[in-house]
Amino acid sequence: AQTVTQSQPEMSVQEAETVTLSCTYDTSESDYYLFWYKQPPSRQMILVIRQEAYKQQNATENRFSVNFQKAAKSFSLKISDSQLGDAAMYFCAYRRGTSYDKVIFGPGTSLSVIP
Amino acid sequence: NAGVTQTPKFQVLKTGQSMTLQCAQDMNHNSMYWYRQDPGMGLRLIYYSASEGTTDKGEVPNGYNVSRLNKREFSLRLESAAPSQTSVYFCASSERETGIWNEQFFGPGTRLTVL
Repeated sequence: AQTVTQSQPEMSVQEAETVTLSCTYDTSESDYYLFWYKQPPSRQMILVIRQEAYKQQNATENRFSVNFQKAAKSFSLKISDSQLGDAAMYFCAYRRGTSYDKVIFGPGTSLSVIP
Repeated sequence: NAGVTQTPKFQVLKTGQSMTLQCAQDMNHNSMYWYRQDPGMGLRLIYYSASEGTTDKGEVPNGYNVSRLNKREFSLRLESAAPSQTSVYFCASSERETGIWNEQFFGPGTRLTVL
C-alpha cells in the first residue's frame, strides 16, 4: 500500500529566508503524481505545486520549488523568500497515474513565518 | 465558476442524529471524493466516486454512506452520528485530461461537531 510521510509536524522560518519541508512516500508504481497543498487558517486547500513522476525536471512555481528524488522516493518543497502569507499547513500528496483511484495525503507540516 | 461548493459550513449534532452533507462541482469532473480532516492525521478518504453511478470505500468508511446523485453532486450521509465523527469534512473533485491527472479541487469544508 502506498504511504506518504511528513516527518516535520512543525517548522518555522524567518521572513525572507528559505525553508524546506520534507516528504517521503512509498510506492511500487512507476506512473504517479506528487502534489504539495497549502491550507491557510481559512481552511481552503490550495495547490502549491505538482510533479509528474515521469518528468525528471523539478517543478517550480515562482518562490516554490521541489526536489524530486525518484529513487529515494523523496519530494521536498523549498519556499524561498518566505512571506507572512506562507504561514499554513502544508500537505504532501500522492496519486497513482493509472486509475481513478484515491489521493493519499501525508499528516501535514505546520509552517510558521516569523516577522 | 463556483468550483466545489459544500453545505453547510458548520453543523452541530447530537449523538444519534442523522444529517447529509451536500457537495456540488461545476467543472464537469468525473471523480469526486469525501475526506475528513483530524488534527495530526492529515486528510483521510471516506468514500470516492470515480464516475457517475459508481462509489467506492476509502480508508475510513464506517458510519458513512454516499450518493453520487449525478455528475455534479456527491453527498455524504451520517445515519447515526457519533462523537468520533466530530471533524472537518472536505469534498473534492478532479479529472483526467488527455491521460494526465489534474490536481484535486477542494470545497471550503464543513466543520461538524457531534455532542
